[in-house]
Amino acid sequence: DGGITQSPKYLFRKEGQNVTLSCEQNLNHDAMYWYRQDPGQGLRLIYYSQIVNDFQKGDIAEGYSVSREKKESFPLTVTSAQKNPTAFYLCASNSGGGPQHFGDGTRLSIL
Amino acid sequence: SQQGEEDPQALSIQEGENATMNCSYKTSINNLQWYRQNSGRGLVHLILIRSNEREKHSGRLRVTLDTSKKSSSLLITASRAADTASYFCATDAKAGNQFYFGTGTSLTVIP
Repeated sequence: DGGITQSPKYLFRKEGQNVTLSCEQNLNHDAMYWYRQDPGQGLRLIYYSQIVNDFQKGDIAEGYSVSREKKESFPLTVTSAQKNPTAFYLCASNSGGGPQHFGDGTRLSIL
Repeated sequence: SQQGEEDPQALSIQEGENATMNCSYKTSINNLQWYRQNSGRGLVHLILIRSNEREKHSGRLRVTLDTSKKSSSLLITASRAADTASYFCATDAKAGNQFYFGTGTSLTVIP
């Protein structure tokens, strides 16, 4: 079945540690997105990529980094510079400005 | 911020009743989309309405768009307990491929 797979479902980060969240899609979509969702809040855009080897910062990119080496993959690294990383992270993809397809999210917590 | 706002923040109704949620946004758009999110899951696309459309139907869903007021409404008719979820509107600014999500309406349908 086509879709977006995020892993892991739950992730714990220690102080000073970088962690990487995985996002893979087999929908052949050109664009991919990373959002952060805090409890009871809407989604805020971290980074997005419209094509391989290119990506743009969203509204809250500080403390995060991404890469887009393959069309199918858009991993997000939460660096130690992100001082408040506890949140629900959602990856999405789309093509041609159409509806976004979402993964089931990764919940990141601090140890 | 170009983020939209949903109203009300929370809505509780009896099964069989209709539920209406509203969304306001700030900038000119290409289209507006509504999404649903079950607790702890990713978002699921419900319906897309283009800026030149005023009303759209899909099953028990009816969406209206008033670009002069920069607002949209989502009506769910004959609600079911399974409709319990959070509902978000999302707009794309005409200038780019970013999507801006509202803060969501939490709908509870009581059996």
